[in-house]
Formats: sequence, structure tokens, C-alpha cells
Amino acid sequence: QKEVEQDPGPLSVPEGAIVSLNCTYSNSAFQYFMWYRQYSRKGPELLMYTYSSGNKEDGRFTAQVDKSSKYISLFIRDSQPSDSATYLCAMSRNTGTASKLTFGTGTRLQVTL
Amino acid sequence: NAGVMQNPRHLVRRRGQEARLRCSPMKGHSHVYWYRQLPEEGLKFMVYLQKENIIDESGMPKERFSAEFPKEGPSILRIQQVVRGDSAAYFCASSPDRGMQTQYFGPGTRLLVL
Repeated sequence: QKEVEQDPGPLSVPEGAIVSLNCTYSNSAFQYFMWYRQYSRKGPELLMYTYSSGNKEDGRFTAQVDKSSKYISLFIRDSQPSDSATYLCAMSRNTGTASKLTFGTGTRLQVTL
Repeated sequence: NAGVMQNPRHLVRRRGQEARLRCSPMKGHSHVYWYRQLPEEGLKFMVYLQKENIIDESGMPKERFSAEFPKEGPSILRIQQVVRGDSAAYFCASSPDRGMQTQYFGPGTRLLVL
């Protein structure tokens, strides 16, 4: 069983739709949760970063963490064609220092006109 | 402030040759990480380094792969005697001492082994 599970998609939505992307995880030691966006043949770009449970909002993006369910979400409001990319969830433990990220496989999102 | 820099962006090697991938972290960042991304797979952690020290190499293959981050200069990921299965995108990330959990990625080096 993978530590982090993510539906690979592809997920196709019309422009303006609300997009919901999700990951589940099995390791309760994960404390830091991130979402990255990766365009084709580019490096991952950090979108959102949250610590422990709760919500965080940044513009059109909202990240949610539910540690009791081991479930994290990224919502994109008013989706745009430029949001078409692969979205990767990532998480790490609280070791008191920096530590490796464990990634989901990524969800490919296509926003159509 | 320049982002994480990686070179070369593309590298072609024949089986048995050596590949050297370089990574310059963001200014002020002293933590460097290497990840590998195989086609249709997520990123897999390989190694975490600070200046002159390997902190975590739990994701590194036991043979042929090595990494360093010298006091001066970029971090180097070295793959000896490359095989076709080494073909992948290799990404470097860096993080600051404050907020060290946030890792910023470079554009990657795409290695193709013929």
C-alpha cells in the first residue's frame, strides 16, 4: 500500500468550475502538507503549504487538511485554462528539522473553454 | 532572487557512461534534496544534503548513485555506469533554515540513456 494515494485522473472541467483535488494517506506521522502544480516538462511549483489540520486560503486556492480522516484537499475556484496541469500532493513528518517529502502520483487537470 | 538552478536540462548518455547532474540552491538555502520522477509516476525522494553532509540517503539506490554538496559550488548527483532504467527526470529542491519544510524545485534534468 502506498503511503499517499491520489487519483491520477485525468479530470476535465469547464472554465469557471470549482475543482476538488484530494489525497489520502496512511502515515499518521505526517504533519506538513503541500500542494504543488507541475506543468508539462517543468519543475513542481509550490502552491499551498499547511501545518497540521485546518483550512488555508490563497486567492482562488483553498487547502484543507483533516488529520482524523487522513485526507487532504485542494479546491480551485473559478478555474481557468491556465490551471491545466498536474497537481501533486506532498507531505512530510515533523522531525524538528527538514525532511523528505512523500508525494502522491499527481492528478492531471484539464480546464476546457 | 534566482530560483533553484539545474544543469544540464537535458542529458543523453549511452549505457555504461557516467551522468553528472548539478544543482544550485536558491540564495540563502542550505538544504538540498534530490528527487526522481519516472514516466507516469510521482516524485520519489532520493537524498537530502546540507553543506558537506548527507543527512538522509534512504531513497538512494545502493549502487552506482552518489551525491555531494561541497562547501563551495553546486550539489552534484552522480550516476555511474548508467542503464536504461535510469532514464527519468531528476529534480533538485532547496529549502531555507527558517521554514525548512517548504521545498522549492528546480526545472529538472531529463536524463535519457540510450
